[in-house]
Amino acid sequence: AQSVAQPEDQVNVAEGNPLTVKCTYSVSGNPYLFWYVQYPNRGLQFLLKYITGDNLVKGSYGFEAEFNKSQTSFHLKKPSALVSDSALYFCAVRDGEYTGRRALTFGSGTRLQVQP
Amino acid sequence: GAGVSQSPRYKVAKRGQDVALRCDPISGHVSLFWYQQALGQGPEFLTYFQNEAQLDKSGLPSDRFFAERPEGSVSTLKIQRTQQEDSAVYLCASSLRQEYGNTIYFGEGSWLTVV
Repeated sequence: AQSVAQPEDQVNVAEGNPLTVKCTYSVSGNPYLFWYVQYPNRGLQFLLKYITGDNLVKGSYGFEAEFNKSQTSFHLKKPSALVSDSALYFCAVRDGEYTGRRALTFGSGTRLQVQP
Repeated sequence: GAGVSQSPRYKVAKRGQDVALRCDPISGHVSLFWYQQALGQGPEFLTYFQNEAQLDKSGLPSDRFFAERPEGSVSTLKIQRTQQEDSAVYLCASSLRQEYGNTIYFGEGSWLTVV
């Protein structure tokens, strides 16, 4: 079965500092990994995904994520945080080629708070 | 509209009432998903359609939940005899194709409160 863990409920960072939001996963086959962001009272917005190839994936709004197969991690990063980055972040995984399951499995979410 | 559209955005239902939530996916998208998101938690999968075929309904919590996509476009999630535990945000999502690497795009959700 596929699963995702986001070990931090909340991450606090000062504006201008680098940020990292952690994600680890468990799958039976090759993972397809996604990050989404959710602002208050809004749906999920796609940030980036890892399918295959380069382990460093670049996405929207200056975010990037590094796929690490040996550590089964896919941490979200940004070199310089903005107050407007404050939101709820979700990591998600799919390993459908092994299970036949099309659905994404989501983590519990990490709230990012960027202080001015 | 360029995105996934859901209606109503907000619904208050009395316990025992039936509700219907509508999803209009991005035009041409083959795959459609419904998720349930409780307050402060991650989305939980409910059901998946490929065109009009419901290929996975393993996440539907009870037989009070029913989804359809009769013409392979608009989808409706119906909840019969609503209970308080059904209070949640119901998210619809779509993707262009069924391949596993395809990006899934979400709507803004339908907020259901059962009183």
